[in-house]
This record gives sequence, C-alpha cells and structure tokens, in this order.
Amino acid sequence: EAGVTQSPTHLIKTRGQQATLRCSPISGHTSVYWYQQALGLGLQFLLWYDEGEERNRGNFPPRFSGRQFPNYSSELNVNALELEDSALYLCASSFRGGGLEQYFGPGTRLTVT
Amino acid sequence: RKEVEQDPGPFNVPEGATVAFNCTYSNSASQSFFWYRQDCRKEPKLLMSVYSSGNEDGRFTAQLNRASQYISLLIRDSKLSDSATYLCVVRDPRRIQKLVFGTGTRLLVSP
Repeated sequence: EAGVTQSPTHLIKTRGQQATLRCSPISGHTSVYWYQQALGLGLQFLLWYDEGEERNRGNFPPRFSGRQFPNYSSELNVNALELEDSALYLCASSFRGGGLEQYFGPGTRLTVT
Repeated sequence: RKEVEQDPGPFNVPEGATVAFNCTYSNSASQSFFWYRQDCRKEPKLLMSVYSSGNEDGRFTAQLNRASQYISLLIRDSKLSDSATYLCVVRDPRRIQKLVFGTGTRLLVSP
C-alpha cells in the first residue's frame, strides 16, 4: 500500500515569491495535516484539512494557506516568502476526523534565498 | 515552559546496551502519547503509541507516568540501526488533531 506522497522533494524560491507544495494521503485517509520543521526546531503544526475543509490551523500568519481536493489530496501555499520560511514541510494523513495515528510523507524541503 | 520537553542528547551507546529516554509534558489533560522515530533528513515514522498501562513491542518498551507527567522509552539490546532521533509526541487535548512534538533525542549506537 502506498504511503503519503509529497511533491516536489526540493523547492528553491526567492524572497517574496509564492510556493506551492502538494500532498497525497494514504488511500482511505481523509484527514491531511501540514507541519513545518525548521532547522533545530521541532515540528510545528500548520494546518488540518478534513473532508475538503480547513478544520484548524496553528500559529502561522495568513500567508500560509491551502486547500483539500475532492480526492483528499492537499496543497499548501506560502505567499510572500520570507527567509525564515526555509524548512522541511511535512504532510501527514489519518483516518477521518483527526484519527489517532498520523502517518507522514517524506516532506518537501523549501529553501528561500 | 515548553509543552513537550526532551533531552536533545546525543546518547552514545555501544551495540547491545540498554538505553532510556524520558520526555515531560506540561498539559495534565493530555490523553494520547506517541513515540516517533526520525532518521536524518527523513520523515518521522510512528514507533509506538503509549498506553496508560505501558506497552512493549519487541525490544522497545514505553511507559506513561501521569502523576509526574512524563513518558519514557526503553530500548533493549541496541542495534546500529536504532541510531536516529526519537520524538516524543503528545496530542493536544483541546484540539485532538494537533500533535505537539518534542524536539527529539538523538541516539547514536556504535559497534
């Protein structure tokens, strides 16, 4: 069974640009979560999508946004990129409604120059 | 105070050794706890959930102490392949979908 997939693996952008990251959950999972892991820091919760809707977000500015598609895949958009947005962005999925166990994808490493 | 705190290590142990990590959490209402393993530049992988009664999976044993608000992970007979960062994870009791991660404890197992 395929796990969570993310694309691209690496992304290099310049300050002020926009970045789009994509995630496909495990088949049967309807919840998708986004986390940011900056160097030397723990994973920080960004967003939770379930059944196509944003259900909750962490302490991040509005320029971090996203959506979930009818097939439960998800997109994370980061607008007006800043240098400190450079991090590993991890997507996780679970069964419906914030299921107990979350399974992570390999991540997208975003570098902002 | 951080929501989840771990000793960053590294813990350097020889193969075959027994090693234990502790993690403390600040919210006494927390109900669900996990240990994840993260290899260098890879995604976290669920190692085990931590139940009130404690649980064991092969060489790995997890314990929960609610009174003192800490979780422990014991690894027996360490293997070279156990070298990784171990993340203590607590579910936010106010928002069950939110996992709060510790910054991890690094383990290095040497021959």
